[in-house]
Amino acid sequence: GAVVSQHPSWVICKSGTSVKIECRSLDFQATTMFWYRQFPKQSLMLMATSNEGSKATYEQGVEKDKFLINHASLTLSTLTVTSAHPEDSSFYICSARDLLQGLSTDTQYFGPGTRLTVL
Amino acid sequence: AQTVTQSQPEMSVQEAETVTLSCTYDTSENNYYLFWYKQPPSRQMILVIRQEAYKQQNATENRFSVNFQKAAKSFSLKISDSQLGDTAMYFCAFQHSGYALNFGKGTSLLVTP
Repeated sequence: GAVVSQHPSWVICKSGTSVKIECRSLDFQATTMFWYRQFPKQSLMLMATSNEGSKATYEQGVEKDKFLINHASLTLSTLTVTSAHPEDSSFYICSARDLLQGLSTDTQYFGPGTRLTVL
Repeated sequence: AQTVTQSQPEMSVQEAETVTLSCTYDTSENNYYLFWYKQPPSRQMILVIRQEAYKQQNATENRFSVNFQKAAKSFSLKISDSQLGDTAMYFCAFQHSGYALNFGKGTSLLVTP
């Protein structure tokens, strides 16, 4: 159990285009999902916290108009990188917090990540 | 703000030996969780072990165990009987209940035959 999927796993796009990344909790409900970014040979850095039915909370330095987050259901959050540029090339990882387990264990489950390359 | 420090960028251990990865953190909170995650070349984050701050007993998961020193704010990971499949990046992480994980910079572990 506790599987999180991401789609696509790898995407290449041209500079100036937009890319949407999906994060799904497959066998549990997640009121909260988190989006991280990981540059090569670096750690995961939190970009934003996504709560179902409300606006996302962005970390300092993350442009909310560039990285649009939508959490429309308890099993799906999307991250759209608008007008992507080469410096946005990175590995994007989501995690989901199990609604039922969260109160007792507060465990987050990670998706496999999406590798974005902007040409 | 919480900070997590991993002072060992790279480590190497021979197969079947034991290795300890260090982690220190800084927080003013009293209730929190600590984790060790493994990230192999596939880049999938895999939970290795977790520790609740209110528990004095050190967590163990098969060959993996932690040494949690709350007063010293130290949380080291011991891997016993190292296996080639343990080769990966290891991240120490701090979490205040309900919030996102705050990761250290990671330790690259290489297990050699």
